[in-house]
Amino acid sequence: RKEVEQDPGPFNVPEGATVAFNCTYSNSASQSFFWYRQDCRKEPKLLMSVYSSGNEDGRFTAQLNRASQYISLLIRDSKLSDSATYLCVVNIYGNNRLAFGKGNQVVVIP
Amino acid sequence: ETGVTQSPTHLIKTRGQQVTLRCSSQSGHNTVSWYQQALGQGPQFIFQYYREEENGRGNFPPRFSGLQFPNYSSELNVNALELDDSALYLCASSLGLANTGELFFGEGSRLTVL
Repeated sequence: RKEVEQDPGPFNVPEGATVAFNCTYSNSASQSFFWYRQDCRKEPKLLMSVYSSGNEDGRFTAQLNRASQYISLLIRDSKLSDSATYLCVVNIYGNNRLAFGKGNQVVVIP
Repeated sequence: ETGVTQSPTHLIKTRGQQVTLRCSSQSGHNTVSWYQQALGQGPQFIFQYYREEENGRGNFPPRFSGLQFPNYSSELNVNALELDDSALYLCASSLGLANTGELFFGEGSRLTVL
């Protein structure tokens, strides 16, 4: 079983709409959780950390459910510039040795 | 710009050859991690170096090896290349071993094995 599982999509989203996706992780001892963004043929960049209480950063909301071992990301009022792959990331090994999911590809359509 | 630089950006090798990839970490960062990203996949952890010592290794065979130098730059070496080694190799730097989740990636070295 993979450490982090994501449905890659693509998720075709009309501009201005809301899109949500999630991932699951296999190791219940995982310590911390993140979403990274990767633009086409570019390097991944940290989007936001994910906390059990849920957290927002502008139009982005992340949620963690430890009991069910899944992490979610919601994007409101989608912009064309949100088109990217969103990688679910779990700090399974500690010390910033991160496990990445396959990514959710989001395409925002005008 | 993350301040992490990798070289070469692209290279083509044939099966059985050896390759060395290089990474300069962001100024002040003493930890370097290497990841392999195959097409359509997420990055997979290869290994991490902290203060010139290997600090953890993913599920990769011994023909993947690395080094970290006193200036914290790093090399990834792959021997006996196989077709499946074709991928984007990403170097990421960070400060110490904190669980911040914030890695600063370089733009990667794209390796094609024929």
